[in-house]
Amino acid sequence: NAGVMQNPRHLVRRRGQEARLRCSPMKGHSHVYWYRQLPEEGLKFMVYLQKENIIDESGMPKERFSAEFPKEGPSILRIQQVVRGDSAAYFCASSPIGGSDEQYFGPGTRLTVT
Amino acid sequence: GNSVTQMEGPVTLSEEAFLTINCTYTATGYPSLFWYVQYPGEGLQLLLKATKADDKGSNKGFEATYRKETTSFHLEKGSVQVSDSAVYFCALSEKSGGGADGLTFGKGTHLIIQP
Repeated sequence: NAGVMQNPRHLVRRRGQEARLRCSPMKGHSHVYWYRQLPEEGLKFMVYLQKENIIDESGMPKERFSAEFPKEGPSILRIQQVVRGDSAAYFCASSPIGGSDEQYFGPGTRLTVT
Repeated sequence: GNSVTQMEGPVTLSEEAFLTINCTYTATGYPSLFWYVQYPGEGLQLLLKATKADDKGSNKGFEATYRKETTSFHLEKGSVQVSDSAVYFCALSEKSGGGADGLTFGKGTHLIIQP
């Protein structure tokens, strides 16, 4: 059973460009979570999604950030018009159907904005 | 709101030393508690968990006991190895409604084990 997959692992964008981060949950998992880890900080919850639904986006910045988890395909975290402060590691986690509180993390995408 | 506070690092120990990493939490209800470990360049791996008061989570020689009276979940290991060098995160989850919530993490403790 493959683990949580994230791609790309490293992403470099210039200021003002768009960043798209992808997450494929573990097989059988329908709950996806996105977290951001700033340097020397712990992970901060951003958004929680189920298939085709955003359940909790209380940790998402109000502007430029969006997330989706379509019926088919991976979950996407999209950052428009990136700024240097968006440079961070973005982790995706998934949990199985039924709302287990045990989350399985992907390897992360390290975004660098130049 | 919920919060997790853990001891700041780096923590540097010699191989075979005893390890304690302190973690305390604030939550409105009865959370589940976790320790995650992050090796360089990798994502987080669940190390152990406890879901109710007085539960003890254990894995790979690490242990932590859910202490409701002191709101703590300290991580311990009797004899550390160089391979235990990593960043350790304490976290909590407090369910609302029917599904799982996002985890609340501490800032992480960088552990360095010297041979």
